[in-house]
Amino acid sequence: EAGVTQFPSHSVIEKGQTVTLRCDPISGHDNLYWYRRVMGKEIKFLLHFVKESKQDESGMPNNRFLAERTGGTYSTLKVQPAELEDSGVYFCASRRDWADTQYFGPGTRLTVL
Amino acid sequence: GENVEQHPSTLSVQEGDSAVIKCTYSDSASNYFPWYKQELGKRPQLIIDIRSNVGEKKDQRIAVTLNKTAKHFSLHITETQPEDSAVYFCAATDRQGGKLIFGQGTELSVKP
Repeated sequence: EAGVTQFPSHSVIEKGQTVTLRCDPISGHDNLYWYRRVMGKEIKFLLHFVKESKQDESGMPNNRFLAERTGGTYSTLKVQPAELEDSGVYFCASRRDWADTQYFGPGTRLTVL
Repeated sequence: GENVEQHPSTLSVQEGDSAVIKCTYSDSASNYFPWYKQELGKRPQLIIDIRSNVGEKKDQRIAVTLNKTAKHFSLHITETQPEDSAVYFCAATDRQGGKLIFGQGTELSVKP
């Protein structure tokens, strides 16, 4: 089966601009997670979707971040306006309902200048 | 909420030696503990996991042990090889939500 894919792989933007990251989970995985790793630190949870519903968004840093999963397939994470501290690698992961394993995508490296 | 501490942050071993990475967690409700390996520029990949009803699990050169009373779990890699060099992350989760709480990561370097 195809793995989790993310687009773009890299994004360099200026402070104040908008960026949209996309994640395509493994087909049939209802659970979709967003995580972020800031330089040298741990991977931190941002948000969890079950199908199209937000199950847990306790990790979203502020209201500049907006995640959507219309139709319960792919998801987007928009940062608007981007700030310097938003730089990092954004990972998406997906999981089947009855399983524990989360499969990660390759990540999007976001650099805000 | 859950908090996971991981040690050491860096670990350097000679090829063929063993490597041990330790993690502690705070939430006694946590019942699933995966370990991920992330090679440079690649995605985190699950290498082994353990549930709270099991004390030890082994897969070839890799083993994980869990002490629920002390709330800590460890990754053991035997006969290390240069291709084991990577960043290793431990994580914990409670089944209800499924979100992973990660440790800070351990950069393992295996010298030939």
